[in-house]
Amino acid sequence: EPEVTQTPSHQVTQMGQEVILRCVPISNHLYFYWYRQILGQKVEFLVSFYNNEISEKSEIFDDQFSVERPDGSNFTLKIRSTKLEDSAMYFCASRLLLAGEVFYNEQFFGPGTRLTVL
Amino acid sequence: SQELEQSPQSLIVQEGKNLTINCTSSKTLYGLYWYKQKYGEGLIFLMMLQKGGEEKSHEKITAKLDEKKQQSSLHITASQPSHAGIYLCGADGNDMRFGAGTRLTVKP
Repeated sequence: EPEVTQTPSHQVTQMGQEVILRCVPISNHLYFYWYRQILGQKVEFLVSFYNNEISEKSEIFDDQFSVERPDGSNFTLKIRSTKLEDSAMYFCASRLLLAGEVFYNEQFFGPGTRLTVL
Repeated sequence: SQELEQSPQSLIVQEGKNLTINCTSSKTLYGLYWYKQKYGEGLIFLMMLQKGGEEKSHEKITAKLDEKKQQSSLHITASQPSHAGIYLCGADGNDMRFGAGTRLTVKP
């Protein structure tokens, strides 16, 4: 069964360093997402991406964050200068988009990358 | 933005007992999703509801969406230890907004 994969599973970094989190969405999916979950808190939407551009972003997704689809398979989240409060689990998700039926299929989530900022 | 309130926050039940988790939205839901998360792991899709009054079942889990499309419930019949985890409801849109989750513990 196709699945969303994420690498690395755990990333430890020093405050101020740049990190890139990688995701491989399900191959025929067209809509991609990043979420984060601070330990013990809600899963929070960061950004959605469709047709090679950001579709929606939350207030969390500030200038320190960027997303990219560098090739036909990867979807990345970059944090330019990490802060302690960026420590969280980051989830990638993808969804098959059908024309005119954008709400009619579920998002498939990856297993997450645990980011620890020291 | 759409806010989702889940209740209860946590639930401890004896194996074999039935239970219900609720999810209430501040706005009309266009799509309501239930996911399950094991601590520190990813989200596993359970069910999706879109129409008012819709009800879906999978194995021992039943989810309903009320007619007004602002409230959903997840019911587990004859709970088992494998049902333990965090249940999240999510409201669809161009993003997905989640409730805070209900942590379910099933005692053998």
